[in-house]
Amino acid sequence: GEDVEQSLFLSVREGDSSVINCTYTDSSSTYLYWYKQEPGAGLQLLTYIFSNMDMKQDQRLTVLLNKKDKHLSLRIADTQTGDSAIYFCAESLNSGYSTLTFGKGTMLLVSP
Amino acid sequence: GAVVSQHPSWVICKSGTSVKIECRSLDFQATTMFWYRQFPKQSLMLMATSNEGSKATYEQGVEKDKFLINHASLTLSTLTVTSAHPEDSSFYICSATKGQGAYEQYFGPGTRLTVT
Repeated sequence: GEDVEQSLFLSVREGDSSVINCTYTDSSSTYLYWYKQEPGAGLQLLTYIFSNMDMKQDQRLTVLLNKKDKHLSLRIADTQTGDSAIYFCAESLNSGYSTLTFGKGTMLLVSP
Repeated sequence: GAVVSQHPSWVICKSGTSVKIECRSLDFQATTMFWYRQFPKQSLMLMATSNEGSKATYEQGVEKDKFLINHASLTLSTLTVTSAHPEDSSFYICSATKGQGAYEQYFGPGTRLTVT
């Protein structure tokens, strides 16, 4: 079955880099996603990576995928207080509108 | 853009009453909409998948007679929580797909339901 695991909490200082990790179990995963959720709000898609890619960079965000170990990470460079939120890792099995399986989320707290 | 709205953003109702939550895609047509439920400090759990003009597909363990879903148009899906009880209190989030890719799934801001 599908299972996505994340560490629950990460605390960093403003200006440092943050690395949020995620592991998944289904090797059939085609797309892997990172979402951001601010308090009381819905989910915002930050970035996604196709399973045949190793890395994707988008401004301050870098996604690394180790398909062999089924490990996904999100690095946020120059972390700002506005980055404080819950970050969800998610996977889908194909490029169709298949359901997303979410991890439990990592709460990122950025202190000044 | 791809904006999804939900109404209301929060609602408090008495036990035994029914509550309707609307999910709208404001600037695109969504053939598929999803309804999720999120408990505090928990992940999103998919409740049902809703396709325009057809019956919703419910996930295992979700009571379809309790959580009524209607997807009457390409821009509107509704979730009605019937005979609500305190254990139904949760954050309900909808999403809508703009295309075939799951990366084109856009989320609404959520509705906080509190049943007293």
